[in-house]
Amino acid sequence: SAVISQKPSRDICQRGTSLTIQCQVDSQVTMMFWYRQQPGQSLTLIATANQGSEATYESGFVIDKFPISRPNLTFSTLTVSNMSPEDSSIYLCSVEFGNYEQYFGPGTRLTVT
Amino acid sequence: DQQVKQNSPSLSVQEGRISILNCDYTNSMFDYFLWYKKYPAEGPTFLISISSIKDKNEDGRFTVFLNKSAKHLSLHIVPSQPGDSAVYFCAASEGGGNKLTFGTGTQLKVEL
Repeated sequence: SAVISQKPSRDICQRGTSLTIQCQVDSQVTMMFWYRQQPGQSLTLIATANQGSEATYESGFVIDKFPISRPNLTFSTLTVSNMSPEDSSIYLCSVEFGNYEQYFGPGTRLTVT
Repeated sequence: DQQVKQNSPSLSVQEGRISILNCDYTNSMFDYFLWYKKYPAEGPTFLISISSIKDKNEDGRFTVFLNKSAKHLSLHIVPSQPGDSAVYFCAASEGGGNKLTFGTGTQLKVEL
């Protein structure tokens, strides 16, 4: 497993603004993922962020709205751009060490007003 | 299209008894299945997993059963403890390094 931290833990933002969420892992990992959990819903993958390559986005998610950086093997950021109330969700990063098991950070609770 | 389903949104069990959480899937390409526990304001915590080449995996109080022909898996918790009260998600993947597809979750409440 790994120790995964996220910043901020929560934020309240105005519509039209952007928020960058950071994910830090205490060990090097190739595969990182970003998920979203909307209120009352399950977790949905936004994108896969592997170091050394461009992020791969799932259907319904685009880079202009959710740009991702992966500068090294322990860190990634997800930006939620031009926010609307529909973006109010918990955003989670996860990592996998090649054993099929993903480990999650504590999440960032975002409220857009 | 919900490829992983947990049809029971909630389950209540007495302390010491068995908790059985169920999960169904439709995608026959899934070959790895996982269970996560989630407390409010925390990220999901990995509990136990099973490969499609097995039909049972145990880890302490937790056992996962997989019935490939029925596309069904279940998580058994014995004995149930009050600290087990949480939302449980099943998830599935098509091989390692790929996305997890999550079910909608089951809220387990273990009562004294």
